[in-house]
Amino acid sequence: AQSVAQPEDQVNVAEGNPLTVKCTYSVSGNPYLFWYVQYPNRGLQFLLKYITGDNLVKGSYGFEAEFNKSQTSFHLKKPSALVSDSALYFCAARSGAGSYQLTFGKGTKLSVIP
Amino acid sequence: NAGVTQTPKFRILKIGQSMTLQCTQDMNHNYMYWYRQDPGMGLKLIYYSVGAGITDKGEVPNGYNVSRSTTEDFPLRLELAAPSQTSVYFCASSSSGGPLAGELFFGEGSRLTVL
Repeated sequence: AQSVAQPEDQVNVAEGNPLTVKCTYSVSGNPYLFWYVQYPNRGLQFLLKYITGDNLVKGSYGFEAEFNKSQTSFHLKKPSALVSDSALYFCAARSGAGSYQLTFGKGTKLSVIP
Repeated sequence: NAGVTQTPKFRILKIGQSMTLQCTQDMNHNYMYWYRQDPGMGLKLIYYSVGAGITDKGEVPNGYNVSRSTTEDFPLRLELAAPSQTSVYFCASSSSGGPLAGELFFGEGSRLTVL
């Protein structure tokens, strides 16, 4: 069975500092990995994905994520946090072997402090 | 450019009542999904569809039904509402079942309370 873990319920970071939101996964075969962001009372928005290729993927709003196969991790990063980055972030994964079911983590609340 | 539209945004039901959450998308996506989001639990897949006339169960299908008569519409039916179905429901779509299947477009959600 697929699973995604986000070990931190909340991450606090000062504006201008780098941020990291952690994610580890367990899927059979090659993983397809995703990050989504949710602002209050809104649906989720796609940020970035890893399918294959370069382990560092770049996405929307200056976010990037690093795929580490040996550690089964896909951490979300940004070099300099903005107050507007404050939101709920979800990591998601699916097996590349034809499964349509995307498994989500529980979410991490990011608060960027001015 | 509407994307994925869900109605209603809010609804209060009494135990045992029935209702349908509507979802429509204007992106001509073949793949559509219904998720529920509970606090601290992430999103759980209820049902999904890979095209008109084809639906399948997700992780938590009990108490729900779906149909897909057109590419655009994917309604979710609750037949006998129970307090455990109090949640925020999200409809989503994607353009394919390949690598893009995880790149979902979400509606803004429907908040359902069962009392």
